[in-house]
Amino acid sequence: GENVEQHPSTLSVQEGDSAVIKCTYSDSASNYFPWYKQELGKRPQLIIDIRSNVGEKKDQRIAVTLNKTAKHFSLHITETQPEDSAVYFCAASGGAGANNLFFGTGTRLTVIP
Amino acid sequence: NAGVTQTPKFRILKIGQSMTLQCAQDMNHNYMYWYRQDPGMGLKLIYYSVGAGITDKGEVPNGYNVSRSTTEDFPLRLELAAPSQTSVYFCASSLQGGWSPLHFGNGTRLTVT
Repeated sequence: GENVEQHPSTLSVQEGDSAVIKCTYSDSASNYFPWYKQELGKRPQLIIDIRSNVGEKKDQRIAVTLNKTAKHFSLHITETQPEDSAVYFCAASGGAGANNLFFGTGTRLTVIP
Repeated sequence: NAGVTQTPKFRILKIGQSMTLQCAQDMNHNYMYWYRQDPGMGLKLIYYSVGAGITDKGEVPNGYNVSRSTTEDFPLRLELAAPSQTSVYFCASSLQGGWSPLHFGNGTRLTVT
């Protein structure tokens, strides 16, 4: 099955700086790559996703890039704010007929005011 | 739409007791999932279902059972609770399995003592 690795496990940035979280995947047939944000004590919530026919997608301060050749994708958060502090999970779909998502191990982002 | 509804929110069990965690969704999703999340850790898939009457094991199924008699409901049964099952349990659903976003419930925090 699919194997997703996520780095770094923890990340601290100053408010206003950018944050980048990277994930690699193993199954070249994976075609859907969502990112989830989980605030303390809350459920994971989708913040952005990308499909394999697109190289980059932006939504205000958040962007995701995908490199299919290298099999890695990244989350970019610009102009970070304290409310961006949370755990972020990447995921990949796996190959054809995938029934579930395969999650990375998470990155704890702390934005220092 | 209520989305994915989980009950109860909290539960304390004694070792050896049994209980059922309830999950219901009103989005007419065929795919439903149970994950567990240990403190400070990622999401581990317990069981999933691709439709009514069909269930399959995930990464960590031992000690759990599921059933899917309707599209809406996907209960998780714990038999003979053990301290190792202390965790937060999330139910989720999706429209197209691994190719579409997961919608998570608010979770059930279970403590086994």
